[in-house]
Amino acid sequence: EVQLVESGGGLVQPGGSMRISCAASGFNVSGNYMSWVRQAPGKGLEWISLIFGGGTPYYAYSVKGRFTISRDISKNTVSLQMSSLRDDDTAVYYCARGDTSLDYWGQGTLVTVSS
Amino acid sequence: SYDLSQPPSVSVSPGQTASITCSGDKLGDKYVCWYQKRSGQSPVLVIYKDNKRPSGIPERFSGSNSGNTATLTISGTQAMDEADYYCQAWDSSTVVFGGGTKLTVL
Repeated sequence: EVQLVESGGGLVQPGGSMRISCAASGFNVSGNYMSWVRQAPGKGLEWISLIFGGGTPYYAYSVKGRFTISRDISKNTVSLQMSSLRDDDTAVYYCARGDTSLDYWGQGTLVTVSS
Repeated sequence: SYDLSQPPSVSVSPGQTASITCSGDKLGDKYVCWYQKRSGQSPVLVIYKDNKRPSGIPERFSGSNSGNTATLTISGTQAMDEADYYCQAWDSSTVVFGGGTKLTVL
């Protein structure tokens, strides 16, 4: 059974950093596109990053230069290192499998940026 | 950047057909998928590659895509279908979401 479980969210101050992770089971992250998508309070879904195998990562303009996506094949996880966090980065962050369509999603982890 | 436009809201009576549109430049040249998002829950893929249904998605969900518009159709809408719906396309190695449509079943 395919499962995605996010972890690492919480409260962080503006300008701070946070790392969130996504543990995959039932498939290998190395052979799949993996995406991060977020939803700010009262807003719609926003794609923010994508990685495939050892290929070039892709980022939305809103996070480019601040966020870094990576994967650990040995642990079958995908992570998102977030820095220079701003108030408008407050959101539920989801990891999802896929590119042209996202067929499996995690339960999400809440990141709150506030002083 | 590529933009997808959806109506903010659509209302439908139980048992009737709901249609939610998604517009974008030459959208018919791309694959479109649709997600259902209930409050407090993770998104669920209901249509992929314009008109394919993942396993477990009811037959009342269907999709089409031509020209500049993709459409999600829900036939015989049920109260449980009340949710936000998002279209999504793939453009220049990025995932693009529409702004979402709130479906209200009155």
